[in-house]
Amino acid sequence: DSGVTQTPKHLITATGQRVTLRCSPRSGDLSVYWYQQSLDQGLQFLIQYYNGEERAKGNILERFSAQQFPDLHSELNLSSLELGDSALYFCASSVSWGELFFGEGSRLTVL
Amino acid sequence: GENVEQHPSTLSVQEGDSAVIKCTYSDSASNYFPWYKQELGKRPQLIIDIRSNVGEKKDQRIAVTLNKTAKHFSLHITETQPEDSAVYFCAASFTGTASKLTFGTGTRLQVTL
Repeated sequence: DSGVTQTPKHLITATGQRVTLRCSPRSGDLSVYWYQQSLDQGLQFLIQYYNGEERAKGNILERFSAQQFPDLHSELNLSSLELGDSALYFCASSVSWGELFFGEGSRLTVL
Repeated sequence: GENVEQHPSTLSVQEGDSAVIKCTYSDSASNYFPWYKQELGKRPQLIIDIRSNVGEKKDQRIAVTLNKTAKHFSLHITETQPEDSAVYFCAASFTGTASKLTFGTGTRLQVTL
């Protein structure tokens, strides 16, 4: 158990819909990262937050947005979903730099 | 920004043989190089890391080497076992506050009996 909690574990939805993925970082970790992993693909960095502020942006689509709340949990919002958005979405946390601790992931299936 | 290239994309070895995975990075400011292992359907987990002030680090059957001049680092697994079968990701970052890890594309290692 990494201490990073992600919900939901599985999500099935239709094209055009909107979903929210939630992440609770390890106690004391200020940084939260979101990664997308499509089938047999690598870890594509989406976005990073540090203590409530956006710190880095990767290849995140405009249809996607995220935020980190004062209690340090984070949410990733995916809207106008397309078939190609089906993937495993990982949240990870760290103190500030160094080892990332990954959650178990949220598997999104868009039908 | 940082760019990390990883080779090979797939690697098949017989049990007991050694496996080597290589990565190159582009940003000379990077000073932290971790390796993550991802078993099928599971989350990535850190297996070993190295910082730029060290050239080599070992942990039982796993070792990592770093050549800062050439900007490449490698993962060495000796006496491979079936449970080593997984996808391995290298990564690089600069250890500033809230720095971003850039991952390689991954190597799928298959250890056959």
